[in-house]
Amino acid sequence: DSGVTQTPKHLITATGQRVTLRCSPRSGDLSVYWYQQSLDQGLQFLIQYYNGEERAKGNILERFSAQQFPDLHSELNLSSLELGDSALYFCASSTGTVMSDTQYFGPGTRLTVL
Amino acid sequence: AQKVTQAQTEISVVEKEDVTLDCVYETRDTTYYLFWYKQPPSGELVFLIRRNSFDEQNEISGRYSWNFQKSTSSFNFTITASQVVDSAVYFCALSGINYGGSQGNLIFGKGTKLSVKP
Repeated sequence: DSGVTQTPKHLITATGQRVTLRCSPRSGDLSVYWYQQSLDQGLQFLIQYYNGEERAKGNILERFSAQQFPDLHSELNLSSLELGDSALYFCASSTGTVMSDTQYFGPGTRLTVL
Repeated sequence: AQKVTQAQTEISVVEKEDVTLDCVYETRDTTYYLFWYKQPPSGELVFLIRRNSFDEQNEISGRYSWNFQKSTSSFNFTITASQVVDSAVYFCALSGINYGGSQGNLIFGKGTKLSVKP
């Protein structure tokens, strides 16, 4: 158990809908990262937050957004969902924002868009 | 651009065999970090090791060992006397400085699926 929690574990929804994925980092970690794992794209970095502020953006679609709250939990919002958004979404946390920080991953949320 | 290549898509071995998973990376940074993660069938990503670009010493942890060679930009992972529980997808990842100056996010290879048969 990494100490990172993600809810829900599974999510099934329809095209055009909006969903919210939730992540709680390990105790003491200030950074939260979101990654998407799909069969064709592999594991891709989406976005990073540190202590409530956005720090880095990767291949995140405009239909997707995220935020980190004062209690450090983070939410990833996916809207106008398409079939291609079906994937495993991971949240990871680390202590800081430097390249040496080890990221610990949550169990993931499996999103299925029908 | 930063890139990680795991050329072996799938490897199948019989229990007790040794197996090496290859990882080749590309980066222009002089300082960077390399990681290996394991993704068992249950789906979670489990951290295995972190190595910085200035430390080329090989590392051994039980049946696991890692060989970092800066000259060939490789960070290979060997499992000695493999066991069925080693069956998983293994990912190599790179962390450096991104365009724009931020750092910390991981660039993953496509992964190598290891199947260990009894």
